[in-house]
Amino acid sequence: DAKTTQPNSMESNEEEPVHLPCNHSTISGTDYIHWYRQLPSQGPEYVIHGLTSNVNNRMASLAIAEDRKSSTLILHRATLRDAAVYYCILTTASKLTFGTGTRLQVTL
Amino acid sequence: GAGVSQTPSNKVTEKGKYVELRCDPISGHTALYWYRQSLGQGPEFLIYFQGTGAADDSGLPNDRFFAVRPEGSVSTLKIQRTERGDSAVYLCASSYQPYYEQYFGPGTRLTVT
Repeated sequence: DAKTTQPNSMESNEEEPVHLPCNHSTISGTDYIHWYRQLPSQGPEYVIHGLTSNVNNRMASLAIAEDRKSSTLILHRATLRDAAVYYCILTTASKLTFGTGTRLQVTL
Repeated sequence: GAGVSQTPSNKVTEKGKYVELRCDPISGHTALYWYRQSLGQGPEFLIYFQGTGAADDSGLPNDRFFAVRPEGSVSTLKIQRTERGDSAVYLCASSYQPYYEQYFGPGTRLTVT
């Protein structure tokens, strides 16, 4: 699976939007972009995924660059419950290959 | 509905012992995955089942690790002759079909002393 690069950590204020970046310059044409998050002491949780077009769901939005070499996960209004490690994953296979992700801290 | 459940939640064992970790996937999910997660790292893929058969076991670290899913639902991860390096959180996930979003259980924390 192609490699992704994410910042180690980010901070956000509660009720503010958060943009979590992910670089994947070696992405192949068949790689899907997946985002999962892991809250403390829990298993990972699916957030969103996409291939080429931007995607929206009840949890977040995924903005994919036109050349697909980067993407951004957007949390529209961060809450304390969104504090977690966010993983950006590329895959064409069923298995997920996790990196170390971005630790998001949300403060009042 | 019920999510993925894993038992036990914690397991402490002595070096050299045999352990079994159980995963109950979401009902109706055909695909089941095992991962393990060491402190400060992201989860690492071990094995994936489609139905009863192991479709990809490329992540199993060595022949001390084995997993089964005899009836296409519950799965057991078996570790023989445990070593201290096997200490980790073992996570199970299931999905409706392969390539669909995966739903993870809370994990089993294995400590080998």
